[in-house]
Amino acid sequence: GESVGLHLPTLSVQEGDNSIINCAYSNSASDYFIWYKQESGKGPQFIIDIRSNMDKRQGQRVTVLLNKTVKHLSLQIAATQPGDSAVYFCAEKGGYNKLIFGAGTRLAVHP
Amino acid sequence: EAGVTQSPTHLIKTRGQQATLRCSPISGHTSVYWYQQALGLGLQFLLWYDEGEERNRGNFPPRFSGRQFPNYSSELNVNALELEDSALYLCASSLSGWTGDCTFGSGTRLTVV
Repeated sequence: GESVGLHLPTLSVQEGDNSIINCAYSNSASDYFIWYKQESGKGPQFIIDIRSNMDKRQGQRVTVLLNKTVKHLSLQIAATQPGDSAVYFCAEKGGYNKLIFGAGTRLAVHP
Repeated sequence: EAGVTQSPTHLIKTRGQQATLRCSPISGHTSVYWYQQALGLGLQFLLWYDEGEERNRGNFPPRFSGRQFPNYSSELNVNALELEDSALYLCASSLSGWTGDCTFGSGTRLTVV
């Protein structure tokens, strides 16, 4: 069936380091992917997206990489800050506007 | 501009009762999506409404239902509540014919006891 999963449930990093959060997806026909950040008590917040015709997309301090060959997504956060502490979800756009979410990775940033 | 608003923030119900959750989309958005986020799990797609019609439904039993009103706000109803229905219910909205990101509300925490 459809699924989007994550390799690491929890990631601990030092403030100022770069963070890399990984995600695997199963539907090779998917053409749109999104990374969301969810802070405690809030709904998911859009971070960055990428379409399948791209390999890389950069935002402010964030970069998403897409490897279609192995069906793998990653989110890179540069110079991680305490405010980056949250749960990060990758999502794949399925049919009829449905988003298929992974289980999430908790990012903990330590001073 | 107001974001997606959901009410109530918290809801406690007894097993077997019915729960009604409400969502107001961002002004100008005509599509509303409902997701269930059980504790420690990712988001599971429930329903998609657009222009007042149900467009897609996730793998949930029929006791999960909803509707969208002419002003594009939406209601999610859960009948015959079960303990495992306890979760955070998130609503999101987008422009019709969405091809990009949707905006989520902060959710309604439903607890079934």
